Amino acid sequence: ELKVEQNPLFLSMQEGKNYTIYCNYSTTSDRLYWYRQDPGKSLESLFVLLSNGAVKQEGRLMASLDTKARLSTLHITAAVHDLSATYFCAVEGQGAQKLVFGQGTRLTINP
Amino acid sequence: NAGVMQNPRHLVRRRGQEARLRCSPMKGHSHVYWYRQLPEEGLKFMVYLQKENIIDESGMPKERFSAEFPKEGPSILRIQQVVRGDSAAYFCASSPRIGGYNEQFFGPGTRLTVL
Repeated sequence: ELKVEQNPLFLSMQEGKNYTIYCNYSTTSDRLYWYRQDPGKSLESLFVLLSNGAVKQEGRLMASLDTKARLSTLHITAAVHDLSATYFCAVEGQGAQKLVFGQGTRLTINP
Repeated sequence: NAGVMQNPRHLVRRRGQEARLRCSPMKGHSHVYWYRQLPEEGLKFMVYLQKENIIDESGMPKERFSAEFPKEGPSILRIQQVVRGDSAAYFCASSPRIGGYNEQFFGPGTRLTVL
């Protein structure tokens, strides 16, 4: 059974600092997704990572995928308050249709 | 170009009543997924449907829950005889499934409260 674990689950940081969220998964997969969720809102797609070594960047966020280590990272550079949200990674198993989500990382960025 | 639509956005039911949640996928998408999110938790897969077919219902509770995606009209998630533990946000997602690529686009969710 595919399991997805994120860490940390809670992250409080100051504006201007850098940090990384980790997403580990238990079985082989070539497809990993990162989503953002604001309180009471739906999920916004951030990144789609489709192959080993994939790296994508959008503004202050950068995501990477290492399928051999079964690990994805979401790196935040010079954080700003607007990035405060909960971030989820989700993995699509081989041949599977569904996404399996991590527990989410609640990120709070303080001025 | 409308996104995934869900209604109602908020639904309050008393224990024992029925809840019907509706989802209209994005235009051109024929694959629909339902997920449940309990407070402070991640999303859990419930069911995957294509038009007139249930493809994977491995995440659906065996009793009281059912889903359909008719040829015409929205997908419906139906919960009979609701209990307090059914209180959650229910999200629908749709996908075009181009070339086996399964990026899913999420609707705004229906927040169900059972009194």
